[in-house]
Amino acid sequence: GAGVSQSPRYKVAKRGQDVALRCDPISGHVSLFWYQQALGQGPEFLTYFQNEAQLDKSGLPSDRFFAERPEGSVSTLKIQRTQQEDSAVYLCASSLALQGAEQFFGPGTRLTVL
Amino acid sequence: AQRVTQPEKLLSVFKGAPVELKCNYSYSGSPELFWYVQYSRQRLQLLLRHISRESIKGFTADLNKGETSFHLKKPFAQEEDSAMYYCALDNAGNMLTFGGGTRLMVKP
Repeated sequence: GAGVSQSPRYKVAKRGQDVALRCDPISGHVSLFWYQQALGQGPEFLTYFQNEAQLDKSGLPSDRFFAERPEGSVSTLKIQRTQQEDSAVYLCASSLALQGAEQFFGPGTRLTVL
Repeated sequence: AQRVTQPEKLLSVFKGAPVELKCNYSYSGSPELFWYVQYSRQRLQLLLRHISRESIKGFTADLNKGETSFHLKKPFAQEEDSAMYYCALDNAGNMLTFGGGTRLMVKP
């Protein structure tokens, strides 16, 4: 079956622009995660949903970052007034709602802020 | 707070040589640890987890709670093992904390 998909795959934004990144999880996966991966580093947790409920947003770096999953399926990560330090790969992952369950990752969206 | 450390950014070995990718963690609870791998132009994928105690593609990893380590090992490296390897810890909240990654290069 289809894996996790993300769009767009690449996004170039001018500093100060708003961007929206989309994630389509694997059908039936209750849990959805967003991670940020800066160049040369490992992924860092941003936020986590179980169905439509955002259970943890402790990793969001500032109030310019906002995520939603209104129907418990597709999720959108929005970044307002982008800054150069927001340049990174944004990864989405989904999993079954079991502790220690494997997270399945999407291909990521590479955001470049000029 | 939990933390995962991979001390080597790059590990280069010849084909057929043994490989050990180091991972150390700090976590106050009982950890669940994973190794994820990213091959060139592919997405991040699970390689193995400590609870299953499996050997995947010839790789094994043993959780050593005394040394707080979860090193990844393979007795004979193959060229197709060249990839980025990430050690990760799952806390009770299900989020993964990743190490910085090690790039493994297996030379012919």
